[in-house]
Amino acid sequence: QVQLVQSGAEVKKPGASVRLSCKTSGYTFTNFGVSWVRQAPGQGLEWMGWISVDNGGPISAQKFQDRVTISTDTSTATVYMDLRRLTSDDTAVYYCARDVRWDVAVAGVWGQGTLVTVSS
Amino acid sequence: EIVMTQSPATLSVSPGERVTLSCRASQSISSNLAWYQQKPGQAPRLLIYGASTRATGIPARFSGSGSETDFTLTINSLQSEDFAIYYCQQYVDRWTFGQGTKVEIK
Repeated sequence: QVQLVQSGAEVKKPGASVRLSCKTSGYTFTNFGVSWVRQAPGQGLEWMGWISVDNGGPISAQKFQDRVTISTDTSTATVYMDLRRLTSDDTAVYYCARDVRWDVAVAGVWGQGTLVTVSS
Repeated sequence: EIVMTQSPATLSVSPGERVTLSCRASQSISSNLAWYQQKPGQAPRLLIYGASTRATGIPARFSGSGSETDFTLTINSLQSEDFAIYYCQQYVDRWTFGQGTKVEIK
């Protein structure tokens, strides 16, 4: 079955960077895009960006354009998200999610989430 | 940026009731609207996309309607497992989510 398994929790200091991974399985990796969505404690969902795995073209939310990089490793079917210049406002659970269909960029299958805590 | 506004913020209902949740877009998004359900400590779960297409495995009591700027998620005969937070999301211009509607037990 389709699975997205995310890397473990991270604790970072303000100003640092974090790299999160999302290892996929159970489907043809290059056929579906993958998004990143975060959720601060007690808050709603916030979209960060999406990558089309077959042509590698990432799209980011304007809010994160200068701080986030989304990339893929086709050999391991893994999607990565790098977030730079962390602040306490970046403390959140970060989710990756695969598109529901090859032609519909909606989050159909979700990873379990990774908690990132930013604290001095 | 397209702003998504959900109403109400909280809905108190009894099991077995019919529930209607609203979502409004700040500009036309055609039918590029999805609904998600999220329970505490869990990842969101896709319910509806294309405004009215149920995702795989979603019970028929969940239905979506609407187009352009006004959308509705209806849950017929609310079950105990349906108490959760529901989010709408547009995907015509990047993505934006609504702030969520919490469906709680009355």
